[in-house]
Amino acid sequence: AQTVTQSQPEMSVQEAETVTLSCTYDTSESDYYLFWYKQPPSRQMILVIRQEAYKQQNATENRFSVNFQKAAKSFSLKISDSQLGDAAMYFCAYRMRSYQLTFGKGTKLSVIP
Amino acid sequence: NAGVTQTPKFRILKIGQSMTLQCAQDMNHNYMYWYRQDPGMGLKLIYYSVGAGITDKGEVPNGYNVSRSTTEDFPLRLELAAPSQTSVYFCASSYGLDRGFTGELFFGEGSRLTVL
Repeated sequence: AQTVTQSQPEMSVQEAETVTLSCTYDTSESDYYLFWYKQPPSRQMILVIRQEAYKQQNATENRFSVNFQKAAKSFSLKISDSQLGDAAMYFCAYRMRSYQLTFGKGTKLSVIP
Repeated sequence: NAGVTQTPKFRILKIGQSMTLQCAQDMNHNYMYWYRQDPGMGLKLIYYSVGAGITDKGEVPNGYNVSRSTTEDFPLRLELAAPSQTSVYFCASSYGLDRGFTGELFFGEGSRLTVL
């Protein structure tokens, strides 16, 4: 069974600084997708960034980027120039080309003004 | 665009009562899902559907039922509510493998259910 591990239950960052959230996963598949979802206090699950496993280039979306290490099964999220609105729970998720999205337990990110 | 719409957003039930959480999507997605989120945990899959008339169990299906009579709607039924079903429920949808597959799920805003 696939598992997703987020080893940091809570993180904090100063406004305008950079923070990295860690994620590791366990799979024997070669074709899959990885995601970071953000869940603010409103509860809405919002996609932050997506990475296809067959792509070697790390995905980037504005201030958000990932460090995808396929051999190490590691998928960390870097948030640059942190803003107060970045405060939220962040979930790492894994999906094969099937139905199920497997989530980690989440990292709560606080942004300090 | 409405996306994925869930109702109700909040509900309190007594033990043994039944209710249905409604979910509708307007993106013509084949795949639909129900997840539950317990405090401090990620989301766990309850049921999913790959198209109208087809449903299957996820990780934690006990105590729930679903149906999928149309592409748009995927209601989740709780029979004989128990305190263990106190949770936040998310409905989600996505494209199928045949077209437009990006792996991404689109989520509703969630429904907070409390069973007392």
